[in-house]
Amino acid sequence: SQTIHQWPATLVQPVGSPLSLECTVEGTSNPNLYWYRQAAGRGLQLLFYSVGIGQISSEVPQNLSASRPQDRQFILSSKKLLLSDSGFYLCAWDRERSSYEQYFGPGTRLTVT
Amino acid sequence: KQEVTQIPAALSVPEGENLVLNCSFTDSAIYNLQWFRQDPGKGLTSLLLIQSSQREQTSGRLNASLDKSSGRSTLYIAASQPGDSATYLCAVRDAGNNRKLIWGLGTSLAVNP
Repeated sequence: SQTIHQWPATLVQPVGSPLSLECTVEGTSNPNLYWYRQAAGRGLQLLFYSVGIGQISSEVPQNLSASRPQDRQFILSSKKLLLSDSGFYLCAWDRERSSYEQYFGPGTRLTVT
Repeated sequence: KQEVTQIPAALSVPEGENLVLNCSFTDSAIYNLQWFRQDPGKGLTSLLLIQSSQREQTSGRLNASLDKSSGRSTLYIAASQPGDSATYLCAVRDAGNNRKLIWGLGTSLAVNP
């Protein structure tokens, strides 16, 4: 069965510090990978998606970036965090072979202070 | 541009009631529609996926219907239990862009013992 991991689970970082969140998927190959942010009282916002290694599409201009160094690894980064980067970050995957049913990881709670 | 609306935003019911959550979308040209559950501070759990060619899907006490022509989906929960308390999210995948889900803001459900 497929499993999706995210770490860390929680993170408190000062403004201006760098960020690296990691997501890995087990039990599948060639997944589409997604990074979402969920802010309090707001809906899910798609940040990045990737259809393959090294292929990243950005949905929202911001100080965040994403990379996909391996087939089942997706990394969200920032060089300098802003207060507005606080939120709940979720990684997800899907595949055309699975009718694009989307599955989510447990999330990372980021607080920028 | 596809927009997804979920009504009501919050719902409180006594245990044992049958209930219906609503999801509406503005463009009927969809690839599929997915219902999720989110517990506080957790990731999303996929409940049901309905393909555009399907009218309904069932899983246990859950039944989801789809009426593309009217731009509506309903999630029916039979014999509700306190453990059903969570936020329920609806997301639509457009037929023209299979990469991205368009999200509603969710219905927060409280089932009282």
